[in-house]
This record gives sequence, C-alpha cells and structure tokens, in this order.
Amino acid sequence: AQKVTQAQTEISVVEKEDVTLDCVYETRDTTYYLFWYKQPPSGELVFLIRRNSFDEQNEISGRYSWNFQKSTSSFNFTITASQVVDSAVYFCALGGGANSKLTFGKGITLSVRP
Amino acid sequence: DAGVIQSPRHEVTEMGQEVTLRCKPISGHDYLFWYRQTMMRGLELLIYFNNNVPIDDSGMPEDRFSAKMPNASFSTLKIQPSEPRDSAVYFCASRTDRINEKLFFGSGTQLSVL
Repeated sequence: AQKVTQAQTEISVVEKEDVTLDCVYETRDTTYYLFWYKQPPSGELVFLIRRNSFDEQNEISGRYSWNFQKSTSSFNFTITASQVVDSAVYFCALGGGANSKLTFGKGITLSVRP
Repeated sequence: DAGVIQSPRHEVTEMGQEVTLRCKPISGHDYLFWYRQTMMRGLELLIYFNNNVPIDDSGMPEDRFSAKMPNASFSTLKIQPSEPRDSAVYFCASRTDRINEKLFFGSGTQLSVL
C-alpha cells in the first residue's frame, strides 16, 4: 500500500521568511512518481511539480525548490522569501507501479503574514 | 482548453434527498477520478475510470454512492439518499494515459447536506 505523510499540519511565517514543507512517503514500487499540489483559498488544486523515482536531482524554480531523497523517502518543498500569495494548503502526492491513482497526504496549511 | 468542468459549484440539500454531481473531463483525457475532500480525512479517492470503465471503486464509502461514465466527455457521482456526513468538497480530475501524468482538477462541488 502507498502512504504519504505530511506531519506538519499548519505553518505560519512572516513574509520574506523561508519555509520548508515536509513530505515522507511509503511504497513498495521500484518506480514511482511524487507530486506537489497547491490549493489556494479559492479552492482549486494547482499542480506544482512532478518527480520520478529514478531522478533524484533536486530542482529550483524561482522561489520554489524541491529536495528529493530516496534514502529517507522524503520529498520536501521549500519556498524562499515567502509572500502572502503563497498562503495555501500544500499537498504532497504519490503514484506509481500498477497503480494509476494518486495518494495524497493530508496537506499543510501555510499562512504567510505581511 | 476549458479545463475540467464541474457542476454545480455549490449544492445545498436536505438529508434523504438525491444529489447528482457532474463532471466534464478535458477532451482527450483517458482517466477520470472522483475525490472527496474533508477536514478530517483530507483528499480521498472515491473511484476512477479508464476509457469510461470503472477501474477501482474501493474508495466509494457505501452503497449510497454510485458513479457512472456513459461517454468520454461526461461523468456523474450520485448520492442517494444523502446524509449530513456526506458534506464535503467533491473534486473531479482527469489526465492522459501517459504513465503517472499529472492530474488536472476541476473547481470542485461544495456539498452541504442539512
């Protein structure tokens, strides 16, 4: 069975602080995919990034960066110099193997205060 | 591209009534997913279809829930009879058949059962 754990439930930071959102996953598949989605207050789910299990290269995209470590089964997400518009719920998700569905974590509510 | 379209956006009904939620996936997408989001349980997969055929309905909570996909451009999720504990946001999502391609989500239906 696949499992995604987002141990942090709520994080509150002041604008311009850096913040890291943790994600730990469990799977028996040798090939799998990890995702991060953002859900702003408007409610829609917005895709942010996808990583393959065979590609541990970390990625930076503007103020966003992702740290994928298979040794610790983690796929953490960092926002540098946070902004109020980053306030949202962030979901980590896992898919792979013969399973075509995505398993989501419970989500982390990020509040960025001005 | 219009994206995944769900209707209605909001539904308020009384306990015992039948509720039908509708979804139009992105044209050309072979997979369609129904998720339910609640504070307690997060995002739960209810059922998903591949080429209009239900593949996994293990997440459907009970017999009161049913889902159909009569053609590639339309799916329904029906609850009969509805109960207050069914109150949640119901999301429809679709994707192509490429391995673990990202999901595109609709805006969701906010269901309130009084």
